[in-house]
Amino acid sequence: EVQLVQSGAEVKKPGESLRISCQGSGYSFTSYWISWVRQMPGKGLECMGRIDPSDSSIEYSPSFQGHVTISADKSISTAYLQWSSLKASDTAIYYCARPARPTSYWYFDLWGRGTVVTVSS
Amino acid sequence: DIQMTQSPSTLSASVGDRVTITCRASQSISSWLAWYQQKPGKAPKLLIYKASNLESGVPARFSGSGSGTEFTLTISSLQPDDLAIYYCQQYNSYWTFGQGTKVEIK
Repeated sequence: EVQLVQSGAEVKKPGESLRISCQGSGYSFTSYWISWVRQMPGKGLECMGRIDPSDSSIEYSPSFQGHVTISADKSISTAYLQWSSLKASDTAIYYCARPARPTSYWYFDLWGRGTVVTVSS
Repeated sequence: DIQMTQSPSTLSASVGDRVTITCRASQSISSWLAWYQQKPGKAPKLLIYKASNLESGVPARFSGSGSGTEFTLTISSLQPDDLAIYYCQQYNSYWTFGQGTKVEIK
């Protein structure tokens, strides 16, 4: 089955670090970009950036550049989203998504179930 | 950056009604537009791609049209299962989503 499996919900304190994951299976992981999408409570969808797992080249949305780090380990078909110092405003659901066409800005035909991140003191 | 604006933000309609959601792009995106449905507590689900192509498995009551800067998603006969938020997304240049349209059942 073609799927993206995301890591479980996290509860963190401000200032803590965090890495969440997204593992692809059932397809050639290195052929398709992975994008991360944020959904803040009660809000819409925002693309944070994308990674090409074949060479780990990354493109960040300007709003997220410098605030998060996207990475991937192609040996285990997994992409990551990482924070070094969380803020309360990072509380959100984070989805990973795959464009329908290899290495292209294309619509997303495959989504993970989302990882809920709660940052609270 | 390309901005996407949806209208209305919320709509309330009865079962069986024809429902139309509009999405406008800040510049031409040709037909590089997708529509997604997000039900409460779930990930978005692709409905329409390239403005008017129905994704496999999506009910035929959903349809999309438009090109350039103006697009519409139509539900020909609203069903209770259609309670959701609908998002448009351009993929002409990077990715941008509209702010969403919440569809409520009267």
